[in-house]
Amino acid sequence: TQLLEQSPQFLSIQEGENLTVYCNSSSVFSSLQWYRQEPGEGPVLLVTVVTGGEVKKLKRLTFQFGDARKDSSLHITAAQPGDTGLYLCAGEGAGANNLFFGTGTRLTVIP
Amino acid sequence: DAGVIQSPRHEVTEMGQEVTLRCKPISGHNSLFWYRQTMMRGLELLIYFNNNVPIDDSGMPEDRFSAKMPNASFSTLKIQPSEPRDSAVYFCASSLTNSPLHFGNGTRLTVT
Repeated sequence: TQLLEQSPQFLSIQEGENLTVYCNSSSVFSSLQWYRQEPGEGPVLLVTVVTGGEVKKLKRLTFQFGDARKDSSLHITAAQPGDTGLYLCAGEGAGANNLFFGTGTRLTVIP
Repeated sequence: DAGVIQSPRHEVTEMGQEVTLRCKPISGHNSLFWYRQTMMRGLELLIYFNNNVPIDDSGMPEDRFSAKMPNASFSTLKIQPSEPRDSAVYFCASSLTNSPLHFGNGTRLTVT
């Protein structure tokens, strides 16, 4: 099992603040995905990063894949209450359909 | 596109009873996954199928758990007999090979 640790585990911030969520592993992944999960629903894919050092932006969300492809970060600018949810990173290992999910960061944005 | 459909949404049962969870994947997807999510262990892969054939069931916790995919549009996950420690949210997901997963909304199982 390839372990993916996310930090922080819980985060509660005020609307308008910035935040960063981290996803770390000792293993190398061929790609890394970020999902958001809302209560009562399944995870929904936000982005996939493939290349070491890659940065992708999705509106106020910025995703970065580490140079060594072992870690990733998600930065949210000017957080909104609609950003509230469980954020999961998932690393793809060797072989088809070999996806390992991180421990998750539960974000609450207070209006 | 109706997405991945799971039933029931909630299941409450007594220890020792048989539980059957159902999943209808997105039409045309050839891979189907069963996951279990708990606060303690997060999201864990139980088993996945490719073209209706079980490929990796190493995540199935014990012989009480079994999964079938009789055709491309239906899969079941069965627990017999159920135990309180099986209480969790069970997700089904589908995809095309090496493409992103699409998750259903899960079945919340409570075993008392």
